[in-house]
Amino acid sequence: NAGVMQNPRHLVRRRGQEARLRCSPMKGHSHVYWYRQLPEEGLKFMVYLQKENIIDESGMPKERFSAEFPKEGPSILRIQQVVRGDSAAYFCASSPLQGINTDTQYFGPGTRLTVL
Amino acid sequence: AQKITQTQPGMFVQEKEAVTLDCTYDTSDPSYGLFWYKQPSSGEMIFLIYQGSYDQQNATEGRYSLNFQKARKSANLVISASQLGDSAMYFCAMREGADNDMRFGAGTRLTVKP
Repeated sequence: NAGVMQNPRHLVRRRGQEARLRCSPMKGHSHVYWYRQLPEEGLKFMVYLQKENIIDESGMPKERFSAEFPKEGPSILRIQQVVRGDSAAYFCASSPLQGINTDTQYFGPGTRLTVL
Repeated sequence: AQKITQTQPGMFVQEKEAVTLDCTYDTSDPSYGLFWYKQPSSGEMIFLIYQGSYDQQNATEGRYSLNFQKARKSANLVISASQLGDSAMYFCAMREGADNDMRFGAGTRLTVKP
C-alpha cells in the first residue's frame, strides 16, 4: 500500500523561476493538504483541496502561490517567480474520505525547495 | 496566540529508558483531535498516535502512549523503552472541530544516548 508520494524530493530554482511540486495521495484518499516547514519550525498549513475543488486556501500567500487537484493526476503546488524566502520543505498530506480516523493526515516525504 | 506549545526544544534520554515529551494546547472547541508526528533526520513526517477529545481512554500504539489530561489541556507523548532509532524531532499537532488545517507545535528534538 503505497503512501503519499511527492516529487521531486529536492528542487533548486533561481530567483524568478517557477517551482512546481507534485503530490499523489494515498490510494483511496480524496483529501489533500499542503504545508510549509521553515528550518527548525513546525509545519504551517497552506491549502486544502479535494478533487477539482479548493476547499480552504486560508494559509496560502495571496500572490505567486497556487494549488490544484485535478480529476486525473496529482495535486500540484505552483510557486511563480520564486524568492529566497520561499526556500523551505513543502509537505503534502492526505486523508481518507471515510474511515475510523478521518481526521488523521498521512504525510508524504516532502519536497525541499532551495532558491538560489 | 499559540495553539500548540512544546516547551522542550531538546531532550536527552538513555537507551531503554522512558521519556515524556510535553505538549499543551489551547482551544475553546469541544471537539478536537491531537496528533503526534515523528520527523527523523531524513525529513519525512511519520504519524505516531492520535487522541480524540471525546476519547475516554489514553491512546496507545506500541511503545507510544499519550498522557491526555483534558482539564489541563495537555497531551504528552510517552515513549517507553527508548531505542536509538527514536532520535528525531517530534511534533504535537491539533485539529479543531471542522477546521481543515492542523496546527503544529515548534517540535522537540529527542536524542537517545547509547
